[in-house]
Amino acid sequence: AQKITQTQPGMFVQEKEAVTLDCTYDTSDPSYGLFWYKQPSSGEMIFLIYQGSYDQQNATEGRYSLNFQKARKSANLVISASQLGDSAMYFCAMRGTTGANNLFFGTGTRLTVIP
Amino acid sequence: DTAVSQTPKYLVTQMGNDKSIKCEQNLGHDTMYWYKQDSKKFLKIMFSYNNKELIINETVPNRFSPKSPDKAHLNLHINSLELGDSAVYFCASSQAANTGELFFGEGSRLTVL
Repeated sequence: AQKITQTQPGMFVQEKEAVTLDCTYDTSDPSYGLFWYKQPSSGEMIFLIYQGSYDQQNATEGRYSLNFQKARKSANLVISASQLGDSAMYFCAMRGTTGANNLFFGTGTRLTVIP
Repeated sequence: DTAVSQTPKYLVTQMGNDKSIKCEQNLGHDTMYWYKQDSKKFLKIMFSYNNKELIINETVPNRFSPKSPDKAHLNLHINSLELGDSAVYFCASSQAANTGELFFGEGSRLTVL
């Protein structure tokens, strides 16, 4: 069975500071993908970043980077130089390669950027 | 052009009614999904279709019936609506069944009174 855990229901960060949102996962699939999505108050789901389990390097996309520690089964999202527009819900998700092919989502972390 | 579009965006209806939500994607993707997001923001898969074929059917009441007339469309019909069906329903698509990120529609907020 696959499981995604986000232990931080809410986080606060000062504008222009960096913040790390935690995500741990559990899977028996030998190959899998890890995703982060942002959901602002307007409600849409915005894809941010992807990490494949066999990728040698941590994924980066602009101000987003994924701190992937395979042995610890963690895939934390790091947002650098936080902006007010980063205030949103952030979801970690995982997709395996066997069995069900959908994304399993964590419970989300609500990030608030303080001016 | 909206990649994944779903209609209606808002739906308010009485208990016991039947309603449908439509979804279309213009990305040429093979796989489409319906997710339900509850009041606590938890996202749960309901159904997945790959090339019009049902491949995921989670434990969902059989009042919910998906239909995929072609691989670009995946509609959700709900019979005998109940209060607990109130949620935001997201349609999504991905390039293939086991690869790529999901592209989401804007969501359809269903309120059952």
